[in-house]
Amino acid sequence: ETGVTQSPTHLIKTRGQQVTLRCSSQSGHNTVSWYQQALGQGPQFIFQYYREEENGRGNFPPRFSGLQFPNYSSELNVNALELDDSALYLCASRSGINEQFFGPGTRLTVL
Amino acid sequence: ILNVEQSPQSLHVQEGDSTNFTCSFPSSNFYALHWYRWETAKSPEALFVMTLNGDEKKKGRISATLNTKEGYSYLYIKGSQPEDSATYLCASLYNNNDMRFGAGTRLTVKP
Repeated sequence: ETGVTQSPTHLIKTRGQQVTLRCSSQSGHNTVSWYQQALGQGPQFIFQYYREEENGRGNFPPRFSGLQFPNYSSELNVNALELDDSALYLCASRSGINEQFFGPGTRLTVL
Repeated sequence: ILNVEQSPQSLHVQEGDSTNFTCSFPSSNFYALHWYRWETAKSPEALFVMTLNGDEKKKGRISATLNTKEGYSYLYIKGSQPEDSATYLCASLYNNNDMRFGAGTRLTVKP
């Protein structure tokens, strides 16, 4: 167990809907990153939050947005869902350059 | 920033064999290199974090080296065991806090 938790574990949505995924970071970690892992690929970086501000973003459109809260928990919001958004969404927390600790992921299916 | 490349994509070895795989990464603005081990149905688990050119780290039968000038890292497993079967991910962290993952090397160790 890494101390990073995610909810829900599985989710089914339809095209055009909106979804919010949640992550609770490991205690003491002030940086949280979100990744999308499509089948057969490595995790793709979505964005990163440090002290409640987004400070890094991968090649994802603006309909992917996030929040980090004072207790370092965070959310990933995806608007106008598309079929290709079906994937495993991982969050990971770290402190500085140290290793990241990953949550178990949320499996999102868009029909 | 270009992609992080890992090779081979998959590897099948016999129990007792030693093996190694490669991670290539863009060296511009490089900050740190992470290796993770990802077993099926579990979250990725950190193996090593390396920052300095020539760094070498070891954990049991697994070791890793880093060349930041030419942008590559090797992961070695000595005397592979069936429990080593997993996907091994590398990720490079850059000065802008962006972390890029490779697609992973899937290792299968046959008894």
